[in-house]
Amino acid sequence: EAAVTQSPRSKVAVTGGKVTLSCHQTNNHDYMYWYRQDTGHGLRLIHYSYVADSTEKGDIPDGYKASRPSQENFSLILELASLSQTAVYFCASTRGLGEQYFGPGTRLTVL
Amino acid sequence: GDSVTQTEGLVTLTEGLPVMLNCTYQTIYSNPFLFWYVQHLNESPRLLLKSFTDNKRTEHQGFHATLHKSSSSFHLQKSSAQLSDSALYYCALSDRGNNRIFFGDGTQLVVKP
Repeated sequence: EAAVTQSPRSKVAVTGGKVTLSCHQTNNHDYMYWYRQDTGHGLRLIHYSYVADSTEKGDIPDGYKASRPSQENFSLILELASLSQTAVYFCASTRGLGEQYFGPGTRLTVL
Repeated sequence: GDSVTQTEGLVTLTEGLPVMLNCTYQTIYSNPFLFWYVQHLNESPRLLLKSFTDNKRTEHQGFHATLHKSSSSFHLQKSSAQLSDSALYYCALSDRGNNRIFFGDGTQLVVKP
């Protein structure tokens, strides 16, 4: 069974502060993704990566950075958190372009 | 660029009636992979169905879908809705040309007694 973990599971941040969300997978998958989901809305792709030390912009990259230091780890960084970044963030991994395995999500509240 | 369209944002049904959620896609590549994901309340999305074979029906957990490349469609169907089917359903597309996946906006299915 594919395993993707995220930390923290929940976070409250202050406006203008720095936030780092972490994702770890033990599936030996090459692709990893970060999505955000706003209440009652769909998934939107922020950044993704298909190889360590390289990241690609998704559909809504503004205000976010990503880091893929190893095949297993993929971080999402909010350098200056804003109220509009309050959302649930999901990490996912895939082998190639196949089935996405999602983590449990991180609920981020920016005050 | 590639895209996925789910025309219904919300579908409300009575238990026992058939389910059909629409999905159409746009891609210039000839061999897309199509997926349906389901997300129940306070859970993560998980795979429901997938296909890359034209005109072949794929089934799982009572749901089925057929990829039709001629009409660029991959509609999700079920013969009889259950209360437990209430969830958010996403159609998704991936292809090697773009090297990424594209999700539709999702369809919220609400099944009432």
